[in-house]
Amino acid sequence: AQKVTQAQTEISVVEKEDVTLDCVYETRDTTYYLFWYKQPPSGELVFLIRRNSFDEQNEISGRYSWNFQKSTSSFNFTITASQVVDSAVYFCARLNTGFQKLVFGTGTRLLVSP
Amino acid sequence: GAGVSQSPRYKVAKRGQDVALRCDPISGHVSLFWYQQALGQGPEFLTYFQNEAQLDKSGLPSDRFFAERPEGSVSTLKIQRTQQEDSAVYLCASSARRGTNEKLFFGSGTQLSVL
Repeated sequence: AQKVTQAQTEISVVEKEDVTLDCVYETRDTTYYLFWYKQPPSGELVFLIRRNSFDEQNEISGRYSWNFQKSTSSFNFTITASQVVDSAVYFCARLNTGFQKLVFGTGTRLLVSP
Repeated sequence: GAGVSQSPRYKVAKRGQDVALRCDPISGHVSLFWYQQALGQGPEFLTYFQNEAQLDKSGLPSDRFFAERPEGSVSTLKIQRTQQEDSAVYLCASSARRGTNEKLFFGSGTQLSVL
């Protein structure tokens, strides 16, 4: 199976620290999409970003930034100056073109303490 | 409401009991998905609807699982003769257009516990 691996099960940081969440994916396709979702304690998954496989340009959105590297099949997510409200489980996911199902990693639980 | 609504929020069932889980997607959303999330795991795909048509049910784990969306809006996931391994959070998601290269809007899920 073409997996999405999030090797970090849980990360604990203190507020204002920077933190990077790792994501490594497997795919045999040349065209695919990658996603990050946030799952707060309330349970719903919140969309953060979607990238297609042809766009390796790194993206920044406020305190969030993403580093997509096809050469290493990685799509890492960095939160700068973390805040308590960032505490959640973060999921990386992959979608292959032509298919409807997202394949999720096992998630990384981020705990930000004051 | 503005978001995806799922009910009930929690469901406790005795083994062998049938259950029905409801999903109200965002109004007008074409695509609807069901995912199953076991404790400590990422969501796993169950099934996909485009309007009322069930286009992919490859993720349904057994023939005890059945989903429908008869009028292209509300969807129901039914599990017959529940087993302990069915205990999980069942998440519903919708998107405005076809396919999941669009971002999905998820509900808060139904947590099913089978005793």
